[in-house]
Amino acid sequence: NAGVMQNPRHLVRRRGQEARLRCSPMKGHSHVYWYRQLPEEGLKFMVYLQKENIIDESGMPKERFSAEFPKEGPSILRIQQVVRGDSAAYFCASSPPSQSNQPQHFGDGTRLSIL
Amino acid sequence: GENVEQHPSTLSVQEGDSAVIKCTYSDSASNYFPWYKQELGKRPQLIIDIRSNVGEKKDQRIAVTLNKTAKHFSLHITETQPEDSAVYFCAALSTGANNLFFGTGTRLTVIP
Repeated sequence: NAGVMQNPRHLVRRRGQEARLRCSPMKGHSHVYWYRQLPEEGLKFMVYLQKENIIDESGMPKERFSAEFPKEGPSILRIQQVVRGDSAAYFCASSPPSQSNQPQHFGDGTRLSIL
Repeated sequence: GENVEQHPSTLSVQEGDSAVIKCTYSDSASNYFPWYKQELGKRPQLIIDIRSNVGEKKDQRIAVTLNKTAKHFSLHITETQPEDSAVYFCAALSTGANNLFFGTGTRLTVIP
């Protein structure tokens, strides 16, 4: 029973490049959440998606950041023209389809480093 | 929006002693409160959660209490062991909301 799968685990990019982070939810889960964690800080919500729909992107910067969760395949968090401040751990979580307030289970994260 | 505060930021206890971590929240509509344990370089791991219709929940050495009136909830770890050393995060989720609001974390060190 695989958990939330994220890849890559580590990603290094130079300023101005694009970063693509992937997340496959747990089997049976259709809700995906992306969070960002800076060193020594808590997790900050970025975006919540269901299949083919962005439900809430209130925590995601308006520029350079985008997310999708296509009908087939993993959810993708895309960061264009990366800057040093984008360096962080990006965690994906998933929860089962339900009305509300279901436990969210996290993946191992992608640690993004910007040179 | 919701604001979750967590104290203390660091906590050191002797092995076998108890550890208590406290959180407060601001949104009275919050009704789900999970606790996560995060070891260095690893994923946040859900260790226990509580819903607002319950005042206390226990799972072996871990317990969580919730005071809705005062808007605070606490994590209690008894008979601590070195492997309990990690950063612990509390979180809150409001009715109808989509995302967890996290506290700033407590770094627990259990001294053998």
